[in-house]
Amino acid sequence: ETGVTQSPTHLIKTRGQQVTLRCSSQSGHNTVSWYQQALGQGPQFIFQYYREEENGRGNFPPRFSGLQFPNYSSELNVNALELDDSALYLCASSLLTSSLSGANVLTFGAGSRLTVL
Amino acid sequence: AQTVTQSQPEMSVQEAETVTLSCTYDTSESNYYLFWYKQPPSRQMILVIRQEAYKQQNATENRFSVNFQKAAKSFSLKISDSQLGDTAMYFCAFFSGSARQLTFGSGTQLTVLP
Repeated sequence: ETGVTQSPTHLIKTRGQQVTLRCSSQSGHNTVSWYQQALGQGPQFIFQYYREEENGRGNFPPRFSGLQFPNYSSELNVNALELDDSALYLCASSLLTSSLSGANVLTFGAGSRLTVL
Repeated sequence: AQTVTQSQPEMSVQEAETVTLSCTYDTSESNYYLFWYKQPPSRQMILVIRQEAYKQQNATENRFSVNFQKAAKSFSLKISDSQLGDTAMYFCAFFSGSARQLTFGSGTQLTVLP
């Protein structure tokens, strides 16, 4: 059983640029969630994807967007980067069914560290 | 909206001793789950323990146990026989049936001293 893998592990961008982060979900999982973790803080929910559609969103502007692919992998795209976007971006996968019990068991990746200069 | 509060930014404990990390939360929901996650320097968030709100019995996982006080909205983590490998940032988190997202606290940095 493979875990959640994220790429790249580190990257540096300049203000105004665009970035794409990638995530491969754990085998058997059908849902991917993205979280932003600023330095010294707890992760903040960005959005979740299920069946290739956004299935919930936190308090993030539209320049944060995502995709989920048929193999349940996912991308996070951030346009017009700002200095405050510097953070660790965590991807987590889970299994969403009619029951709540599986949806809350999230498996996290090791994150992508984004630095915006 | 749900909130999770961890009032201890840093804690330390001697190896083999016991330590308790505190967490309080606020919600109007009745169906939810509570978690403790560990984040070592490797950055990967690792699930330590999970508690279902409708279960009165406190969850335990080997050296880790919780004290879940639903009426007080309190959810503390006790680590027994602390080991050097327990050194990490610990996050308390809340998962609601309606929002289907994790809400995290600000974390407690635990250092286990040799």
